[in-house]
Amino acid sequence: DAGVIQSPRHEVTEMGQEVTLRCKPISGHDYLFWYRQTMMRGLELLIYFNNNVPIDDSGMPEDRFSAKMPNASFSTLKIQPSEPRDSAVYFCASSLEPSRRGPNSPLHFGNGTRLTVT
Amino acid sequence: QKEVEQNSGPLSVPEGAIASLNCTYSDRVSQSFFWYRQYSGKSPELIMSIYSNGDKEDGRFTAQLNKASQYVSLLIRDSQPSDSATYLCAVTLYSSASKIIFGSGTRLSIRP
Repeated sequence: DAGVIQSPRHEVTEMGQEVTLRCKPISGHDYLFWYRQTMMRGLELLIYFNNNVPIDDSGMPEDRFSAKMPNASFSTLKIQPSEPRDSAVYFCASSLEPSRRGPNSPLHFGNGTRLTVT
Repeated sequence: QKEVEQNSGPLSVPEGAIASLNCTYSDRVSQSFFWYRQYSGKSPELIMSIYSNGDKEDGRFTAQLNKASQYVSLLIRDSQPSDSATYLCAVTLYSSASKIIFGSGTRLSIRP
């Protein structure tokens, strides 16, 4: 299994531009999570999906952020317009149903996208 | 109050000693607890999970959970330089068993 795949690995953009981050979860996983990590705020949960349906988006900072999961194998996180304070590492993670999540079913993280907004 | 709190460190421990990492959480009825390790520039990886009160051992790692005190800890015995990393505590919320919240992490440094 290739694991969770995120693209791009690095993104540098200017303030005001649209940014789209992409994620392919592990096949068969029911849940997909988007996290943002910064030195100041640590690893923050932005939004998560169950069977392609957004369940909780309370962590999305503001209307500039949106996330979609059109099918079980693809999700996007979009920032429009981007701002310097959006600079962070964005992680996508996937997992099985909580009832089946245990030592052998952890939250699997992608390698992350390092976003820099100048 | 943050939902999951950890001392940011850095925690410096001599090689071969026991490293003790602590975490407190605010949701009294949280059900699942995890420790993730994150090397610099890498993504978090699960090292331990614990669901009931008491100790759980896996090799050099022991997770301890005390739900009454809302406290979970990770002990690393015979610390090695390769254990130097940031350790993230994570908790699921009772209101949503699938929602995993992370602490800000403790940076651990093992000195030779």
